Amino acid sequence: NAGVTQTPKFRVLKTGQSMTLLCAQDMNHEYMYWYRQDPGMGLRLIHYSVGEGTTAKGEVPDGYNVSRLKKQNFLLGLESAAPSQTSVYFCASNSLGPPNEKLFFGSGTQLSVL
Amino acid sequence: GQNIDQPTEMTATEGAIVQINCTYQTSGFNGLFWYQQHAGEAPTFLSYNVLDGLEEKGRFSSFLSRSKGYSYLLLKELQMKDSASYLCAVRDTDKLIFGTGTRLQVFP
Repeated sequence: NAGVTQTPKFRVLKTGQSMTLLCAQDMNHEYMYWYRQDPGMGLRLIHYSVGEGTTAKGEVPDGYNVSRLKKQNFLLGLESAAPSQTSVYFCASNSLGPPNEKLFFGSGTQLSVL
Repeated sequence: GQNIDQPTEMTATEGAIVQINCTYQTSGFNGLFWYQQHAGEAPTFLSYNVLDGLEEKGRFSSFLSRSKGYSYLLLKELQMKDSASYLCAVRDTDKLIFGTGTRLQVFP
């Protein structure tokens, strides 16, 4: 079972370059999320989606864009990378409804912006 | 606004019991989660509370008081492999907001 798959796992960018992180889930989940994790900051929500074709801003959306053209995919884009975007990025997904709405996480992407 | 507080670090001895507290103030509340995260890995689900009270699952238990905006994670019979970060998270309508996490070190 693949679950939630993120690509790439590692990436080094120069300031000003652009890139797209891909998240794919095979569990037919409605909700998908992008988080970033920095030392001492915990997981912070960047953007999320409650269904195909929808996106919404999280806690730290500036400098990022997202798209959810297909239910199984959630793309995170950096148009002009900055050193402040050096972080570990996690994608997650879950389904609707109780009793257990736990998130399933991808393995993470380590991004360094020089 | 959103505010989820937990201690930054805790230490404990193998075989002991440790309680990790979490207090929250969020605009909405649809449940509280605890996740475990080992260094360099993704978070994994531990527990979920939506009603007041204690949920027990093996060596791990989680408690919730919605009126006090308070939860704790109780770890019994600590093992070395329990050394990890423990993340408290609150579901606020459509999104899950995380605290900064508590790094637990278990010593022999």
